[in-house]
Amino acid sequence: QSVLTQPPSVSGAPGQRVTISCTGSSSNIGAGYDVHWYQQLPGTAPKLLISDNRNRPSGVPDRFSGSKSGTSASLAITGLQAEDEADYYCQSYDSSLSGSLFGGGTKLTVL
Amino acid sequence: EVQLLESGGGLVQPGGSLRLSCAASGFTFSSYAMNWVRQAPGKGLEWVSSINGDGDNTYSADSVKGRFTISRDNSKTTLYLQMNSLRAADTAVYYCAKEKKYSYGLENWGQGTLVTVSS
Repeated sequence: QSVLTQPPSVSGAPGQRVTISCTGSSSNIGAGYDVHWYQQLPGTAPKLLISDNRNRPSGVPDRFSGSKSGTSASLAITGLQAEDEADYYCQSYDSSLSGSLFGGGTKLTVL
Repeated sequence: EVQLLESGGGLVQPGGSLRLSCAASGFTFSSYAMNWVRQAPGKGLEWVSSINGDGDNTYSADSVKGRFTISRDNSKTTLYLQMNSLRAADTAVYYCAKEKKYSYGLENWGQGTLVTVSS
């Protein structure tokens, strides 16, 4: 079964650094497909945060960074701010599904 | 500025049908693959379906295969999702999203339209 696994929640104090992991398999991340990250603020549509493993779209602060290795990827957020409190999702293509796959989402709480 | 505006959501009985539309503007619509992604109340994102720029290749999640059909009218710059045999489990906010070129990343999203399947 194709799945991208994320921790349900992470937390950190303002100014700290947090990371969110996204673990896949040989039919998605491990097959070389890129990973994309989205931020969803409460009551709003998702927003592309990191594309193609590590690229930040225009307007996304450089406090956000992405990386990928093997069958996993990570989103790192440095200098945590209250406005970063949101749900974060990873996404990749899956060859066995012939379509996209989202992780279950991670809720970030800024303490 | 890219704009994606979904419409067509509402309340429908189990077994019923609904057609969602997504009016696109601000980019060359026919040059981009488009997707539908849904989010059940309080749940995560679920990819539903995608279509290439020409409209001749479509893909759907197993959960909707045989019931939902994605299509597009490039002359009207509009994306559609025809939903048949609706179930309670299809209750969700449905988003249309534009793919990046040469990538499966979804760089622009609409505001979503709510579909509620209930008797």
